[in-house]
Amino acid sequence: DVKVTQSSRYLVKRTGEKVFLECVQDMDHENMFWYRQDPGLGLRLIYFSYDVKMKEKGDIPEGYSVSREKKERFSLILESASTNQTSMYLCASSSTGGVKTQYFGPGTRLLVL
Amino acid sequence: EDQVTQSPEALRLQEGESSSLNCSYTVSGLRGLFWYRQDPGKGPEFLFTLYSAGEEKEKERLKATLTKKESFLHITAPKPEDSATYLCAVQDWVTGGGNKLTFGTGTQLKVEL
Repeated sequence: DVKVTQSSRYLVKRTGEKVFLECVQDMDHENMFWYRQDPGLGLRLIYFSYDVKMKEKGDIPEGYSVSREKKERFSLILESASTNQTSMYLCASSSTGGVKTQYFGPGTRLLVL
Repeated sequence: EDQVTQSPEALRLQEGESSSLNCSYTVSGLRGLFWYRQDPGKGPEFLFTLYSAGEEKEKERLKATLTKKESFLHITAPKPEDSATYLCAVQDWVTGGGNKLTFGTGTQLKVEL
């Protein structure tokens, strides 16, 4: 079974803090993704990575950065957290070549006060 | 720009009352259409991939179908445990590099006894 794990289920941070969200997958997948999910807006892609040290902006990259130093690990960084970044953050991974399913982690619910 | 619209936003059924969820999409060229199930506070769980018009896939009480403009998720004789949000997503030949997906906002299904 594919397993995608996220470092925290719930996080509470203060405005201006630097926040790290980590995601690890155990299936040797090339592609990894970070989404945020908000009521009425669905899942929106923040960043994705198709290889180690490679990254591409998604639809809403502003205020976020990412790091992929190892194939199995993809980190999302909020450089200076703001209240409008309060959301559910979901990580996913997929293999490459053809149409491949994305497998999701359990999510991190982030509250920025 | 790819667009995915799901309807209805919410659906309440009695146990055993069959119904269908709709996913309308606009893409340059459909590479694949995905259905996911998401329970509250959890990450989406993969259900089906459909690739071409006319294709159908089944799993227990769920059957997914695909036309050139929309997909339906038919739920036959639902049970309370089928209560969840059902998400539809598309991968486009043009924008779907790295297996990027565009998601709809989901249909929240509640099945009551």
